[in-house]
Amino acid sequence: NAGVMQNPRHLVRRRGQEARLRCSPMKGHSHVYWYRQLPEEGLKFMVYLQKENIIDESGMPKERFSAEFPKEGPSILRIQQVVRGDSAAYFCASSPRGGTAQETQYFGPGTRLLVL
Amino acid sequence: AQKVTQAQTEISVVEKEDVTLDCVYETRDTTYYLFWYKQPPSGELVFLIRRNSFDEQNEISGRYSWNFQKSTSSFNFTITASQVVDSAVYFCALSPSNTGNQFYFGTGTSLTVIP
Repeated sequence: NAGVMQNPRHLVRRRGQEARLRCSPMKGHSHVYWYRQLPEEGLKFMVYLQKENIIDESGMPKERFSAEFPKEGPSILRIQQVVRGDSAAYFCASSPRGGTAQETQYFGPGTRLLVL
Repeated sequence: AQKVTQAQTEISVVEKEDVTLDCVYETRDTTYYLFWYKQPPSGELVFLIRRNSFDEQNEISGRYSWNFQKSTSSFNFTITASQVVDSAVYFCALSPSNTGNQFYFGTGTSLTVIP
């Protein structure tokens, strides 16, 4: 019963380094979403991808953040030159279909990023 | 504007008590979906329920029940006869039809069930 997989579960980086977060969607799901959860806050939408396409990146910071979902392999959320404010939990979700409000998104366990 | 408010930050109850978690939402869309997720200490988000804006029937699933009231823009979640395993953070989320892919989450309610 493979759900959404995320790795690493915990990641520590020093300021200026790069962070790469990986997400493998549930089997049969081709739509992936990334959310960020800052301390004491709810999850905030970042980006929505289908295979090889970014559909909606309205929640992504304009600089240093990028996401991809290649034809083969997991989706990657990449944060370049991390700063302390990037410390958060990053959640990935997937759905079998996308683009409609009714699709249930199934979430992974999250990656806790700590920037020293 | 799309917004979800979970005013209760933390709740503690003694085992076997009933507890209601409040969720109030704001949206101008006439079609939308509401969700509840559970985040146990292990950290993952577990899907609990989805409700569409045209279905105001209350739903019961075992010890869980949900009360959707459009008139007050609320989608409250009740756990009856709470158990220690119910201890978790519970999130309410809104999915409006005009933004078909992003959920708007509340800040969550941390529930502790004391044995």
